[in-house]
Amino acid sequence: SQTIHQWPATLVQPVGSPLSLECTVEGTSNPNLYWYRQAAGRGLQLLFYSVGIGQISSEVPQNLSASRPQDRQFILSSKKLLLSDSGFYLCAWSVLGVVAFFGQGTRLTVV
Amino acid sequence: QQQVKQSPQSLIVQKGGISIINCAYENTAFDYFPWYQQFPGKGPALLIAIRPDVSEKKEGRFTISFNKSAKQFSLHIMDSQPGDSATYFCAARGSQGNLIFGKGTKLSVKP
Repeated sequence: SQTIHQWPATLVQPVGSPLSLECTVEGTSNPNLYWYRQAAGRGLQLLFYSVGIGQISSEVPQNLSASRPQDRQFILSSKKLLLSDSGFYLCAWSVLGVVAFFGQGTRLTVV
Repeated sequence: QQQVKQSPQSLIVQKGGISIINCAYENTAFDYFPWYQQFPGKGPALLIAIRPDVSEKKEGRFTISFNKSAKQFSLHIMDSQPGDSATYFCAARGSQGNLIFGKGTKLSVKP
């Protein structure tokens, strides 16, 4: 069965520090991968999506970047975190014809 | 055109009542309309979904009604239970397979 792993579950980082969140998918091939951010009490904002290795599309300009070094691995990064980067980050996947499934999320607090 | 408008923001329903959440969209290229249920601190989970060539889909106590001409769709939760208390998101799938989400509805079912 298909599963998605996202870690860490919670993270507290100082302003100006780097960030790396990792997401891996099991049980499927060639998935579309997504990073969403959810601010407290708000909806889900699509940050990046990827249809294949090395292919990244950015939805909004921001302090973050994404990479897809392997078919089932998706990484969200930042060189220098801002306070406004705090939020709940969700990785998701879909395969053509199948709607996205989400990981359990990472709660990032930038202090 | 890429927006999905969801209402209400919050909803309080008595146990056994019917919960109704509405969504509207503009982009006629959207081809799939899922609903997600999210409990605090967890990632959203796919609840039920519908294609635009179907007017209604029912799964247990959950029903999606879809009005293609009005570009509206809604989630009905029959016999609402306290365990249904969660945030619900409607979404629409775009041509790249990415999902556009509504801002969410926080449902509280009172015992």
